[in-house]
Amino acid sequence: EAGVAQSPRYKIIEKRQSVAFWCNPISGHATLYWYQQILGQGPKLLIQFQNNGVVDDSQLPKDRFSAERLKGVDSTLKIQPAKLEDSAVYLCASSGTSGRVTDTQYFGPGTRLTVL
Amino acid sequence: GEDVEQSLFLSVREGDSSVINCTYTDSSSTYLYWYKQEPGAGLQLLTYIFSNMDMKQDQRLTVLLNKKDKHLSLRIADTQTGDSAIYFCAESGFSSGSARQLTFGSGTQLTVLP
Repeated sequence: EAGVAQSPRYKIIEKRQSVAFWCNPISGHATLYWYQQILGQGPKLLIQFQNNGVVDDSQLPKDRFSAERLKGVDSTLKIQPAKLEDSAVYLCASSGTSGRVTDTQYFGPGTRLTVL
Repeated sequence: GEDVEQSLFLSVREGDSSVINCTYTDSSSTYLYWYKQEPGAGLQLLTYIFSNMDMKQDQRLTVLLNKKDKHLSLRIADTQTGDSAIYFCAESGFSSGSARQLTFGSGTQLTVLP
């Protein structure tokens, strides 16, 4: 079974530029999560989707971050414009059909973003 | 908000037992988790424990939960060099949104010395 795929793996941009990350969850997984992991910290949830609907985006900085999952499969996370403090690893995870917290979340390898 | 605390570093000798500790503040936590992160990789769920349990064993892993003190520990028996990684404790609780979410600690870097 293929795991969670993310691209690109690395991205370097200058502040005020835009950037987008892509995630393809495990086939059949209804729930998709985007996390931000700053160096030396644990992952922090940015947004959670159930199929193509947003379950929780309370920790997403909506003035610069946006995310979509139009067909309930792939998802894109965008930052526009980027700030220095956005340098982090962006992790995508997916879980099974029920959306309960006990569903195992499978993580992708992440995209490491460096903002100069 | 919810907070999860872990010590940052732990070094052990190969073959010894490792004990990684975690404290949390959310008394409504229903499940508590341990994840492992190897360099350049995503997080791998190792095990989880329901809050009405005080111990769970899975092969070399033993999880102990003291709900009164809000203290969770992960014991790895016969630690091997392949166990070197960052270990994250996480608890489930309600965020400001409507769904239960995972809150992670900052991670404990386990180094296994030959």
